[in-house]
Amino acid sequence: DGGITQSPKYLFRKEGQNVTLSCEQNLNHDAMYWYRQDPGQGLRLIYYSQIVNDFQKGDIAEGYSVSREKKESFPLTVTSAQKNPTAFYLCASSLAGNYGYTFGSGTRLTVV
Amino acid sequence: GENVEQHPSTLSVQEGDSAVIKCTYSDSASNYFPWYKQELGKRPQLIIDIRSNVGEKKDQRIAVTLNKTAKHFSLHITETQPEDSAVYFCAATQNFGNEKLTFGTGTRLTIIP
Repeated sequence: DGGITQSPKYLFRKEGQNVTLSCEQNLNHDAMYWYRQDPGQGLRLIYYSQIVNDFQKGDIAEGYSVSREKKESFPLTVTSAQKNPTAFYLCASSLAGNYGYTFGSGTRLTVV
Repeated sequence: GENVEQHPSTLSVQEGDSAVIKCTYSDSASNYFPWYKQELGKRPQLIIDIRSNVGEKKDQRIAVTLNKTAKHFSLHITETQPEDSAVYFCAATQNFGNEKLTFGTGTRLTIIP
């Protein structure tokens, strides 16, 4: 479905727990990105990675961590340090030199 | 870093009329400006983009204009149809490889039949 898969679609987290959101792409894209979407605030960048084993913080990285061990995968961990994690999380990827993003279908995280 | 402002936040137009959404950016080095459409419950999808070496680009009923001097760009949708109802996001970035996009806050467009 569009070459980039996010799972799960819905996720519930208890206070104090870490949770990991999966993002896998089979598009052979070099760069991958994680955005957070809140009502009225658009898409805000959490982390991005342009190459395997390298990643950079975005605008709202506090309380999140990522890894990029494989070109196809860019998992996002929401740690207990993230005080307001309830949001819709979107993963995206793009080719080198091509700036159009392909987005995944998103994961909706809710703290219970 | 880059800052992108988008207006209006909501827009309602009669079917068949035109819709215009405007964005301003802060970084004069930005030179790539895409627009994304996000239908309810779906992922954002690229609908049109423009680079700073052109002032206007059209694709059927949608067009984007860019004013580099004023640092603003606009999305124009003509002959609107019910399926145009969605949230639209503008974005901006510098053209130096896989640079991150900075998005506007979105415009919820509603087409009134």
